[in-house]
Amino acid sequence: AQSVTQLDSHVSVSEGTPVLLRCNYSSSYSPSLFWYVQHPNKGLQLLLKYTSAATLVKGINGFEAEFKKSETSFHLTKPSAHMSDAAEYFCVVRPPQSQGNLIFGKGTKLSVKP
Amino acid sequence: KAGVTQTPRYLIKTRGQQVTLSCSPISGHRSVSWYQQTPGQGLQFLFEYFSETQRNKGNFPGRFSGRQFSNSRSEMNVSTLELGDSALYLCASSLGQPGEKLFFGSGTQLSVL
Repeated sequence: AQSVTQLDSHVSVSEGTPVLLRCNYSSSYSPSLFWYVQHPNKGLQLLLKYTSAATLVKGINGFEAEFKKSETSFHLTKPSAHMSDAAEYFCVVRPPQSQGNLIFGKGTKLSVKP
Repeated sequence: KAGVTQTPRYLIKTRGQQVTLSCSPISGHRSVSWYQQTPGQGLQFLFEYFSETQRNKGNFPGRFSGRQFSNSRSEMNVSTLELGDSALYLCASSLGQPGEKLFFGSGTQLSVL
């Protein structure tokens, strides 16, 4: 069975400081992993995805994530937080041979202080 | 290009009633997936339709059903509503091939009183 665990339900940073959102995965196969962001009253937007082409994945809005098989981790980072980054972030795994069936983590709410 | 459109945006029902939610995918997309989002359970997969056929199904009771029309628009129906069905229902569309990214709508917020 596949699953993802987001290690922090809430992360608070100051504007201009680095962001680290942690995610561990469990998968019997080489996983497809994603990070989505959800702003209040809006749908989910794909930040980036890992599909085994490269372990360091660059996404939109300056976010990136590194796939570490030995640690079964897929942490999301950004060098410098912006006020507009305040949102909820979801780490997601897609089972093999599946398309629309995504397994979501519980989410991490990111707050950015001025 | 219009995004994924879900209607209505908000809905209030009472226990025992039934409800139908609608999702219009991005033009050309043939796959529509539905998710339920609640504070307690997070985001959970309901089902996926591709070319009018249910392709995957999550672990929800039979009160939750869906269908997809020939124009790829999809509807989701919940019968005999329970208080616990109060949630944000999200749909996502894609071209339907492995590896394709999913595009999400803004959701329908259902409140059951």
